Amino acid sequence: GEDVEQSLFLSVREGDSSVINCTYTDSSSTYLYWYKQEPGAGLQLLTYIFSNMDMKQDQRLTVLLNKKDKHLSLRIADTQTGDSAIYFCAETKYNTDKLIFGTGTRLQVFP
Amino acid sequence: NAGVTQTPKFQVLKTGQSMTLQCAQDMNHNSMYWYRQDPGMGLRLIYYSASEGTTDKGEVPNGYNVSRLNKREFSLRLESAAPSQTSVYFCASSGQGSGEQFFGPGTRLTVL
Repeated sequence: GEDVEQSLFLSVREGDSSVINCTYTDSSSTYLYWYKQEPGAGLQLLTYIFSNMDMKQDQRLTVLLNKKDKHLSLRIADTQTGDSAIYFCAETKYNTDKLIFGTGTRLQVFP
Repeated sequence: NAGVTQTPKFQVLKTGQSMTLQCAQDMNHNSMYWYRQDPGMGLRLIYYSASEGTTDKGEVPNGYNVSRLNKREFSLRLESAAPSQTSVYFCASSGQGSGEQFFGPGTRLTVL
C-alpha cells in the first residue's frame, strides 16, 4: 500500500524537545519531507532529506532517517509555543513529482 | 510574488449544486495539484497536472473534474456536490524535479 503513518497527537512542555515519528512504505523514494501547517493555513516545507542520508540538522530541527526500517523522525529542540502546528511527513512517489502525505501529527506546546 | 492563490476562501453549497474552485500560481511551475484535507486522514491527492495541457487522476478523483487552463491556472470543479465532499481543499504547485510543493491558503467547503 501507499500508507505513510504518523501518530495523531503529541503534547510537550515549552523548552523540551519534541520528536515526531513517521513510517513510510516506498523504499525507492528519493526525498522525504517534513511540512508544517499552522491553523487556518496551507502547508509549508520545513525541511527534507535525501534518501542516501541518515541525518540532517537545520538549526533547531534534526531529521533522522532509518532506511532499513523505513522510519523518519523530526526532532525539534527547545520547543516553543510558536511550534504548535500539524506536522506532515511525505515521501515522493517513484519517478514522479507526486507526494504521499502522512496523516499529520498535531503538536501542542504548553507553558 | 503572491505564490499560490485560491478562491474562494469559504463556500457553502447545497447538495447537487455545482461550483469551481480557482487556483493560480506565479512561480512559473510546471506541476500543479489539488488535495483535500479531512481530519485524521492527512492530505489526499484528487488530481494533478504535470504540465500545461495534461491532467491525471490522483487517489480520490471521483466527483471532481479539473482544467489546466494555462501554465498559471488549475481549476477544480464539483459538478454535483455531495455532503461527502465537505472538506478543506488545497492547491499546490512545484517546479521541475524539486519535490517541494508550495501550497495555497485553502478553500473550506461545506456541502449541506
